[in-house]
Amino acid sequence: NAGVTQTPKFQVLKTGQSMTLQCAQDMNHEYMSWYRQDPGMGLRLIHYSVGAGITDQGEVPNGYNVSRSTTEDFPLRLLSAAPSQTSVYFCASSYYLAPYNEQFFGPGTRLTVL
Amino acid sequence: KNQVEQSPQSLIILEGKNCTLQCNYTVSPFSNLRWYKQDTGRGPVSLTIMTFSENTKSNGRYTATLDADTKQSSLHITASQLSDSASYICVVTLPSGNTPLVFGKGTRLSVIA
Repeated sequence: NAGVTQTPKFQVLKTGQSMTLQCAQDMNHEYMSWYRQDPGMGLRLIHYSVGAGITDQGEVPNGYNVSRSTTEDFPLRLLSAAPSQTSVYFCASSYYLAPYNEQFFGPGTRLTVL
Repeated sequence: KNQVEQSPQSLIILEGKNCTLQCNYTVSPFSNLRWYKQDTGRGPVSLTIMTFSENTKSNGRYTATLDADTKQSSLHITASQLSDSASYICVVTLPSGNTPLVFGKGTRLSVIA
């Protein structure tokens, strides 16, 4: 049981480049989400999904796309990277929002946009 | 507006000492309150969970308390170890909705020998 996995662990992009951050979980969780974590800002929700084929925006969705074709995978796409997207990105999963469920976080991807 | 405020922002203590981290929230009503530990370079991991009807929960040397009347929670660490060096994040869960988690910004704890 690998839990939540993320690739890559580190990435450097130039402004305007695109890329996909990968996230997978093997716990059969319905709910998956992407967060970014910036110094002094805490975790902020980018996009989330309550099941395969269903996605929605979180607090800071601009510049990011997501899709959920399977229960296991939830990739995050940066369409045209900007320096403001330099951050650490965490994927998380849980059972669908029952009150007591626990968010399981991946190890994170540290992204630098030059 | 639903908010979670944590204090202090950062804290340095000597190994073996105790410390207490604070979490004040304006979320009402709420379903539960969790404390997460985030080691450097890793994702957060849940330490404790309390519902609004619970006022204390322990996990080894970690003890969380909750006062729902004053909307305050604390995380007490006893006999600190170097491995306790991490960020500690307070998260309050709303009772419903698809985005129910309200995150604090965390307290950065450094335990030194």
